[in-house]
Amino acid sequence: DAGVIQSPRHEVTEMGQEVTLRCKPISGHNSLFWYRQTMMRGLELLIYFNNNVPIDDSGMPEDRFSAKMPNASFSTLKIQPSEPRDSAVYFCASSWAGEGFEQYFGPGTRLTVT
Amino acid sequence: SQQGEEDPQALSIQEGENATMNCSYKTSINNLQWYRQNSGRGLVHLILIRSNEREKHSGRLRVTLDTSKKSSSLLITASRAADTASYFCATPHRETSGSRLTFGEGTQLTVNP
Repeated sequence: DAGVIQSPRHEVTEMGQEVTLRCKPISGHNSLFWYRQTMMRGLELLIYFNNNVPIDDSGMPEDRFSAKMPNASFSTLKIQPSEPRDSAVYFCASSWAGEGFEQYFGPGTRLTVT
Repeated sequence: SQQGEEDPQALSIQEGENATMNCSYKTSINNLQWYRQNSGRGLVHLILIRSNEREKHSGRLRVTLDTSKKSSSLLITASRAADTASYFCATPHRETSGSRLTFGEGTQLTVNP
């Protein structure tokens, strides 16, 4: 298995632009998580899905952030419009929501908003 | 304070020494997990210890769990420069639908060659 795949790995964009981050979870996993990591705030859970349904989006900072999971093998996190304070590393993780709940993380997308 | 707090925040040791990191949590759990994050990479699951276990080993890793004190420790024996990373403990929360992990803030371990 290739593990969790994220794209792009790096994104540099100007303030005000739309940014779309993509994630392909591990096949067979039924939970998907989006995290944001910064030096100041550490690792934050933004939103997570179970069986493609958003369960908790209370970590999404503002209405500028939205996430979708149209099927079991794909999810997107969109920021529109982007702001410099959105600069961070965004991780996607997946797990099988059975006993344990061990999560498998993707390599992350490093977002820089200028 | 948050569920899953690591202590110390940073630890610097020499290669060959042992490294011990601690984690405290607040609510009841059915397991506790430790993850490692190398610089610029995603977190990697290291080991899971269940609430009915007191100690678990995996290679050079030894994890203990004290549910009465709501604490866990991760011991890395005979450390290597390649062990330099951040280490996080995480506790699961089963909810009505799905589950999540709450991660601590991590311990930054530096192993000097």
